[in-house]
Amino acid sequence: KAGVTQTPRYLIKTRGQQVTLSCSPISGHRSVSWYQQTPGQGLQFLFEYFSETQRNKGNFPGRFSGRQFSNSRSEMNVSTLELGDSALYLCASSQIRGKNTEAFFGQGTRLTVV
Amino acid sequence: TQLLEQSPQFLSIQEGENLTVYCNSSSVFSSLQWYRQEPGEGPVLLVTVVTGGEVKKLKRLTFQFGDARKDSSLHITAAQPGDTGLYLCAGEILFGSGAGSYQLTFGKGTKLSVIP
Repeated sequence: KAGVTQTPRYLIKTRGQQVTLSCSPISGHRSVSWYQQTPGQGLQFLFEYFSETQRNKGNFPGRFSGRQFSNSRSEMNVSTLELGDSALYLCASSQIRGKNTEAFFGQGTRLTVV
Repeated sequence: TQLLEQSPQFLSIQEGENLTVYCNSSSVFSSLQWYRQEPGEGPVLLVTVVTGGEVKKLKRLTFQFGDARKDSSLHITAAQPGDTGLYLCAGEILFGSGAGSYQLTFGKGTKLSVIP
C-alpha cells in the first residue's frame, strides 16, 4: 500500500509570508502527527490530529496551526514566516496513535525562509 | 531541555568495526523506538522495545531497553557502509490524559559514517 505522501518536497518563501504544507497518511490511518526537524534542535513535536480534531500540541507559537480533513489528510500552516522556521517538516501517520503504536513518516517538506 | 540525550552526536568508523549508540533520560517511557534516517528522507522505524531489560536483534543490530525503561542502547556489529545514516531514538510518553494521547519525543540523533 502507498506510504505517507508529503507535498511539496521543497519550498522557498520570504520572511513574512505564510505557507501551507500537506500530508496524506497511509490509507486507513486516522492519526497524523507533525514534527519540525532542525540540525540544532532535532525533531520536535508540533501537533497531532485524530479524526479531524487536534488532540495534542507541542510548544510552538500560534503562528503554527493545522487541520485534518474527513479523509484523514492533514495540512499545516505557518503564518508570518521567520528565518528560524527554515527546517524539514515531517508528518507521521499511525492507525490510532495509542500506546506502542508504530509511526510511519513521510519524506518531509524542506522549507527555506529567505 | 532535551528529554532524551543521545551520544555520541557524531561517529565516524571504519568498515568492520563495532559501535554502540546510547539514549538516556530521567523519564520513564512506555516504549522506546529506534529510527534510521537517510539524507532527504523521513525516519524509518527499526525496532520498538517495550519491556524493561528487553533485547531485540535485527541482523547485525542489537537493541536493549534499560531495566527501568529510561534508557536504551543500539549496538552494531561489523559496521557496513550501508549502515551510514542518522540514528534516532524516540521515547513514547503520555501527553495530557486519555488512552490515545501517546506521543513520541526524540533525541537529537547520532550521525554515523562508515568508511569503506
